[in-house]
Amino acid sequence: DAGVIQSPRHEVTEMGQEVTLRCKPISGHNSLFWYRQTMMRGLELLIYFNNNVPIDDSGMPEDRFSAKMPNASFSTLKIQPSEPRDSAVYFCASSDGQGAQQFFGPGTRLTVL
Amino acid sequence: AQSVTQPDIHITVSEGASLELRCNYSYGATPYLFWYVQSPGQGLQLLLKYFSGDTLVQGIKGFEAEFKRSQSSFNLRKPSVHWSDAAEYFCAVGAGQAGTALIFGKGTTLSVSS
Repeated sequence: DAGVIQSPRHEVTEMGQEVTLRCKPISGHNSLFWYRQTMMRGLELLIYFNNNVPIDDSGMPEDRFSAKMPNASFSTLKIQPSEPRDSAVYFCASSDGQGAQQFFGPGTRLTVL
Repeated sequence: AQSVTQPDIHITVSEGASLELRCNYSYGATPYLFWYVQSPGQGLQLLLKYFSGDTLVQGIKGFEAEFKRSQSSFNLRKPSVHWSDAAEYFCAVGAGQAGTALIFGKGTTLSVSS
């Protein structure tokens, strides 16, 4: 299995631009999680989906952030407009419900100038 | 409130020495416990997990962890550290049910000196 796939791996953009991060979960997994990792705040859960339905988005920092999961094999995290404080590594993880173990992707390193 | 505490932000261990990383949790239900490792520039990789049964669990790369309910702890250990073990280690707790989120600690950075 290819594991969780994230793209792009690195993104550099300017403040005010729209950023879209993409995630393909492991085939057959029905839960998908988006995390943000920074030095200051560590690993934060932003939002997660079960069977393509958003369950908890309380970690989404503000309205500039949105996430979708149009089907079982694809999810996006969008930031519009982006700000320098959004610079972080964004991880996607998926789970098949077996003990809730999560499998992480390699992450997208976002830099907003 | 549900939480995970990793008291040590950074630990340095000599190569070949033993290692113990501490993890304490606060969780209202029976916890499912995990240790993940993150190498620089990489995602998180599962080292081991505890669901039930034997409280001493074995993981990959020679790691083990012991669940102590009375102390609400799940400390990670390795008898002899290798330079390649230098990484960040995260403890996490969850309900163990499908479609539920994990709560992660802040992580402990391990440095290995020669």
